[in-house]
Amino acid sequence: DSGVTQTPKHLITATGQRVTLRCSPRSGDLSVYWYQQSLDQGLQFLIQYYNGEERAKGNILERFSAQQFPDLHSELNLSSLELGDSALYFCASSVTGGMNQPQHFGDGTRLSIL
Amino acid sequence: GQQLNQSPQSMFIQEGEDVSMNCTSSSIFNTWLWYKQDPGEGPVLLIALYKAGELTSNGRLTAQFGITRKDSFLNISASIPSDVGIYFCAGPPDNAGNMLTFGGGTRLMVKP
Repeated sequence: DSGVTQTPKHLITATGQRVTLRCSPRSGDLSVYWYQQSLDQGLQFLIQYYNGEERAKGNILERFSAQQFPDLHSELNLSSLELGDSALYFCASSVTGGMNQPQHFGDGTRLSIL
Repeated sequence: GQQLNQSPQSMFIQEGEDVSMNCTSSSIFNTWLWYKQDPGEGPVLLIALYKAGELTSNGRLTAQFGITRKDSFLNISASIPSDVGIYFCAGPPDNAGNMLTFGGGTRLMVKP
């Protein structure tokens, strides 16, 4: 158990809809990361937050947004969903978000778009 | 973007055999991380390497940070069925801030 909690575990929805994925980092970790894992693209970094503020941005679509709240949990919002958004979405956390710190992953949310 | 080339893509070995896999990049890395992912779960950190030339073990796993800082190796000795899974290398490229780049993974299958 990594200590990172993601909900829901599975999500099935339709094209055009909007969903929110939730992540609680490990106790004591201030930084949260979001990744997308699909069969053809592998694990892709989306965005990082540290103590409530955005710190780094990767290949995140404009239809996607995220935030980190004062209690350090984070939410990833995906809107105008397309079939290609079907993937596993992982959250990871680290203590301060420094470049050399290992990241610990949750078990992911599997998003299926019908 | 930055790319990590991991090889082999898959391996099918007999229980008890040793396993070697590697990860190479055209960019310099300051940290190399090795993760294992089981079906339906998130990647789990196995070993973290922080210095060129560093050799670190975790049980039957040994990983090395290449001297050029552009590659890393993971060895598993005396494989067992529970070693089955996908192994990923990852790291923050020198000029990419805090972003972790992942290799494409090595899928390991172990025959009892």
